Amino acid sequence: KAGVTQTPRYLIKTRGQQVTLSCSPISGHRSVSWYQQTPGQGLQFLFEYFSETQRNKGNFPGRFSGRQFSNSRSEMNVSTLELGDSALYLCASSQSDRAKAFFGQGTRLTVV
Amino acid sequence: DAKTTQPTSMDCAEGRAANLPCNHSTISGNEYVYWYRQIHSQGPQYIIHGLKNNETNEMASLIITEDRKSSTLILPHATLRDTAVYYCIVRAPNSGGYQKVTFGTGTKLQVIP
Repeated sequence: KAGVTQTPRYLIKTRGQQVTLSCSPISGHRSVSWYQQTPGQGLQFLFEYFSETQRNKGNFPGRFSGRQFSNSRSEMNVSTLELGDSALYLCASSQSDRAKAFFGQGTRLTVV
Repeated sequence: DAKTTQPTSMDCAEGRAANLPCNHSTISGNEYVYWYRQIHSQGPQYIIHGLKNNETNEMASLIITEDRKSSTLILPHATLRDTAVYYCIVRAPNSGGYQKVTFGTGTKLQVIP
């Protein structure tokens, strides 16, 4: 069974640009969560989607948004990039609310 | 959400058992305790989870105190590959279909040859 796939693995963007990151969950998993990881703040929850509906959102500005498609694949978008958005963005999928989550390898975003 | 408290770092000799503690004194009755670990620059990896009873799988054992206010993750025979940051997480109740996971700062386990 293929794991959680995140694309791209690495990305360099300029301040002010926008970026879209993609996550393909494990087949059959309907829940997808996104996290931001930085050295200073650690792992922080961004949002979670289940059956195309956002069910929870972390404490991030509106520049961070996401969506989930009918095949459970998910994207997150960050607009008007700031230097502080440089981070490892992780996606996790799970089968049900309380199931163990499987993480992808992440997308490392660098904003210059 | 219930918060967790873990030591910042721990050392363990290779081949010995690594015991990683976690305090979650505000845990509510229907919240589960999950453990994940993150090896440098990789995505976190699920290890084990439990509600009340002790749990064991091929990777580790989870001991939860009777009052559920703390737990211990046990790696029975630590190897160098177990060097990682270990996160203890308490899942919020599934109220109305909502779920939120809060990661703390974790414990950096260094396995020493």
